[in-house]
Parts: sequence; structure tokens; C-alpha cells
Amino acid sequence: GQQLNQSPQSMFIQEGEDVSMNCTSSSIFNTWLWYKQDPGEGPVLLIALYKAGELTSNGRLTAQFGITRKDSFLNISASIPSDVGIYFCAGLRETSGSRLTFGEGTQLTVNP
Amino acid sequence: NAGVMQNPRHLVRRRGQEARLRCSPMKGHSHVYWYRQLPEEGLKFMVYLQKENIIDESGMPKERFSAEFPKEGPSILRIQQVVRGDSAAYFCASSRWGSGNTIYFGEGSWLTVV
Repeated sequence: GQQLNQSPQSMFIQEGEDVSMNCTSSSIFNTWLWYKQDPGEGPVLLIALYKAGELTSNGRLTAQFGITRKDSFLNISASIPSDVGIYFCAGLRETSGSRLTFGEGTQLTVNP
Repeated sequence: NAGVMQNPRHLVRRRGQEARLRCSPMKGHSHVYWYRQLPEEGLKFMVYLQKENIIDESGMPKERFSAEFPKEGPSILRIQQVVRGDSAAYFCASSRWGSGNTIYFGEGSWLTVV
């Protein structure tokens, strides 16, 4: 099936640093969702984006729906140790109904 | 907590046995989805159901796997004659509406086949 290219695969940063990750595709998406998953848990929704160009914040997190509708990024500012986890992008395409396509995840490690 | 509820959280089955995973959607949600996650990978879509209807099963293996969402009660993902390769985390998700709506996930059911 259609893949979302998520990068980077992993990041090792110091507490207080800002983080940026993104997802790209050759297909157009109507919705972008960003999730965080902790070990042994389900994905928790962080931010939902529904319109091209939309920029949405949730506390220290900011995500944008790319104007080409083929990409999205997530920024985390002033990282803290509890930001550790795997971040997934997920998209809904017009032709895929309600079938979410997930990226392969970005593993974030924050050193105190 | 009115989130998506899954049980069991952990299930161990011997090869050849059956596994049944249950999912109760969030209150007010009538759309249910099942996803599978292998270690170190993202989630892969399996099936999308509404009450008493399978809407999209394009991600379901052709054999041994089935899903239902009856008029009353939780959605069930059933895996017959499990094999080692079925070992994975199975996540249920729900949404209030269909396409384009925000989708919330449960905490998952971890299946181990020994």
C-alpha cells in the first residue's frame, strides 16, 4: 500500500532543545494526524490537521499541513524528558475512505 | 474514562488455537477500525466496520482472520488457527463519523503465539 516517508527515524537530543520531524508522500492527503506512542501503549492523538496550510498548536507542539497536501511536519519546542517516545504521522487520502496510512515512526530520546 | 476500551491487553495462545480480541468504541462513536503493529513498525490498517457492516476489509488477511461489530456489544477481531507470525499488537480505533474525522485509538491487545 501507499507509504508515508517519515524522518528522521530516530533523534537523540538534550533537554530544552527543539525537535522537528516530518512526513512526505507522493499522494495527496485530506487529513494529517500526529500521534505519540509510549512502550506498551496505544497511539495518543496529539494534533489533527484538516486543511492545506493549516498550522495548529497544542502546548509545546506545533504541526502544519503542507500546502501541496503531500506533507506535514511536527515541531516540539523546549523538549522535556517525558517527550520520549515514538511519534507517528498518519494520513487519510481521498481515495482510501477511512483507512489511515501510518509513517514508520520517529523514536525520540531526550537526555536530561 | 470514556476512551476506546480493548481487552484482553495481553493474550498468549499456542499455535493452532483461536484468539478473540474485543473492542468497545468511545461513547457516541459508531465507526470502528482495527490495525496491526509488528515490532519496530508503524500501524497497518486491517478492517473498518460500522454496526453490523464491514465497510472496508482490504487490509485483512484472506484466511483465518475475521471481524464483526454487532448491533449490541463490542467489536470482535477473531484469528483462527494462530501461527507465530500473528504475534503482534492489535489496536482498535473509533471515530464519530467516517472519512476525514478524528480517529482515537485504544491501548491495544498484545498477542503472543507460542
